[in-house]
Amino acid sequence: GAVVSQHPSRVICKSGTSVKIECRSLDFQATTMFWYRQFPKKSLMLMATSNEGSKATYEQGVEKDKFLINHASLTLSTLTVTSAHPEDSSFYICSAAVGTSSYNEQFFGPGTRLTVL
Amino acid sequence: TQLLEQSPQFLSIQEGENLTVYCNSSSVFSSLQWYRQEPGEGPVLLVTVVTGGEVKKLKRLTFQFGDARKDSSLHITAAQPGDTGLYLCAGRTSYDKVIFGPGTSLSVIP
Repeated sequence: GAVVSQHPSRVICKSGTSVKIECRSLDFQATTMFWYRQFPKKSLMLMATSNEGSKATYEQGVEKDKFLINHASLTLSTLTVTSAHPEDSSFYICSAAVGTSSYNEQFFGPGTRLTVL
Repeated sequence: TQLLEQSPQFLSIQEGENLTVYCNSSSVFSSLQWYRQEPGEGPVLLVTVVTGGEVKKLKRLTFQFGDARKDSSLHITAAQPGDTGLYLCAGRTSYDKVIFGPGTSLSVIP
């Protein structure tokens, strides 16, 4: 099956620093990648949809300047949490799909646990 | 705003028991998916149901999509400790967005 990796799996940073999370599709080319945020014992909340070579589409309430998304190639998307604060601590999960529509099956990465001190 | 509800929110049962998890909405979905997620990992797709009234079986798991495509159920027969996890339903809207339910946390005690 299709494999999606995320790096790092865990990161701890100081308040005010920026953190970059990578999402890679290892054995397929992903036209579309999605970024989700998940709080403990809660569901996944879609943050943004990124298409290769174009600007990401952010969900309502998600700050574009806070969560920078770059989808530079068909196998890599990055999420940068800028000037991180403790309230940004969460589990961030990406998924990748073939095609530009979320109708296509999404393959999820293992997630990145971010802790901001 | 289209919302998905799941019940129960938490479920703790003994090994060998049967259980049913429900996913409900007031909205119609073009398709609905069930995922299982283990702590610290991403969700893993179990099944996709598309047609109203559709029933799919995956070993001891039986999935049903409501006739009106607004609800779904997941039934597990003879639960095993390996079934422990967070079960998430996700509906695809007419706008091609995928919306996740709040999840049902299942614990199967040996």
